Amino acid sequence: GNSVTQMEGPVTLSEEAFLTINCTYTATGYPSLFWYVQYPGEGLQLLLKATKADDKGSNKGFEATYRKETTSFHLEKGSVQVSDSAVYFCALSNGNQGGKLIFGQGTELSVKP
Amino acid sequence: GAVVSQHPSWVICKSGTSVKIECRSLDFQATTMFWYRQFPKQSLMLMATSNEGSKATYEQGVEKDKFLINHASLTLSTLTVTSAHPEDSSFYICSARGPVGKDEQYFGPGTRLTVT
Repeated sequence: GNSVTQMEGPVTLSEEAFLTINCTYTATGYPSLFWYVQYPGEGLQLLLKATKADDKGSNKGFEATYRKETTSFHLEKGSVQVSDSAVYFCALSNGNQGGKLIFGQGTELSVKP
Repeated sequence: GAVVSQHPSWVICKSGTSVKIECRSLDFQATTMFWYRQFPKQSLMLMATSNEGSKATYEQGVEKDKFLINHASLTLSTLTVTSAHPEDSSFYICSARGPVGKDEQYFGPGTRLTVT
């Protein structure tokens, strides 16, 4: 079956530090991969996505590359800000399942000034 | 664009009563909507897929008679928690599948349900 595994949080960083949140997946076929962010008290927002192998999704300084050989989609940012404090969810969607999203467990990021 | 709203944002009800939660796509038509449940500091658990004009498809372990889903129009899906109990207290989130050609989902802000 399809599944997503994320590194456990919480992750605490100082402002301007480098961020990596690991995400690996198991899926049949060729899924699309997503990172969603949930800021405190708000709904999930799409941060970035990639739809095929070697694609790189990027947004707001965050990047993730779809690596089929390692079944990974790690989220990175070179210099985090306090405003990046949120919960980050990795997810996949497999085209043969009607658009269902399978989420990882979420990683809470806290950035200190 | 692609805004999804939920109403109410929070609700408190007594055990044994029913509660209806609305999910609306405000600026696009959504033939498919999804309902999730999120426990504190945990991931989203898909409860059901709601398709306009047809019966919802429930995930394994979700009681369809307890969580009634209706998708009567291309912009509205409702989730009714029937005979609510304290263990139904949770954060309920809906999402709508994006316009044709987009495989993204757009999420509502969620509804906090507390059953006393």
